Amino acid sequence: DTEVTQTPKHLVMGMTNKKSLKCEQHMGHRAMYWYKQKAKKPPELMFVYSYEKLSINESVPSRFSPECPNSSLLNLHLHALQPEDSALYLCASSKDRVALHQPQHFGDGTRLSIL
Amino acid sequence: GNSVTQMEGPVTLSEEAFLTINCTYTATGYPSLFWYVQYPGEGLQLLLKATKADDKGSNKGFEATYRKETTSFHLEKGSVQVSDSAVYFCALTSFGSQGNLIFGKGTKLSVKP
Repeated sequence: DTEVTQTPKHLVMGMTNKKSLKCEQHMGHRAMYWYKQKAKKPPELMFVYSYEKLSINESVPSRFSPECPNSSLLNLHLHALQPEDSALYLCASSKDRVALHQPQHFGDGTRLSIL
Repeated sequence: GNSVTQMEGPVTLSEEAFLTINCTYTATGYPSLFWYVQYPGEGLQLLLKATKADDKGSNKGFEATYRKETTSFHLEKGSVQVSDSAVYFCALTSFGSQGNLIFGKGTKLSVKP
């Protein structure tokens, strides 16, 4: 079982809907990440939170809005998505963003489909 | 810059065959190196890691040695099983990557009974 829990596992939404993806970890990690993964591709980094502050936004469109309410939780709010946003969204955490030898731990992802 | 190059797949092997997936890297400073595995319909799982030159990471029969002289971190397993069928990603972190994971393109492995 993964130590990073993502909900929901699957999500189908229309282009006008608003939904949220959730991610939770209880390993005491202080860095949390959102990735987007298209089929047959490696994950692409979207956002990084370090000590609950947004430290990296990889030029992600504003229709994706991240939130880190506390050190264990990470949300990704979705609004007015496009069909090309259909993908697997992965959450990950690590002890500290600058501790290079510490691995990132991934959740199982949310499979998002935009109609 | 920082980059990871791994052999293109797919790789198809018979059960009990020997596996090698090549991975080479370019990085500033002294990177940490990782192999992640992604089973169908799942997220990424850390398979093994090495954080300095000549370190050998190992897990579940898989091994990889951090070779600084050849900038390589090849994944090997002596006898693969059908359950090893998955996509394997080589990755690194370094100061140059701001601690972010830099992934290779992934190699899909299919093991036939």
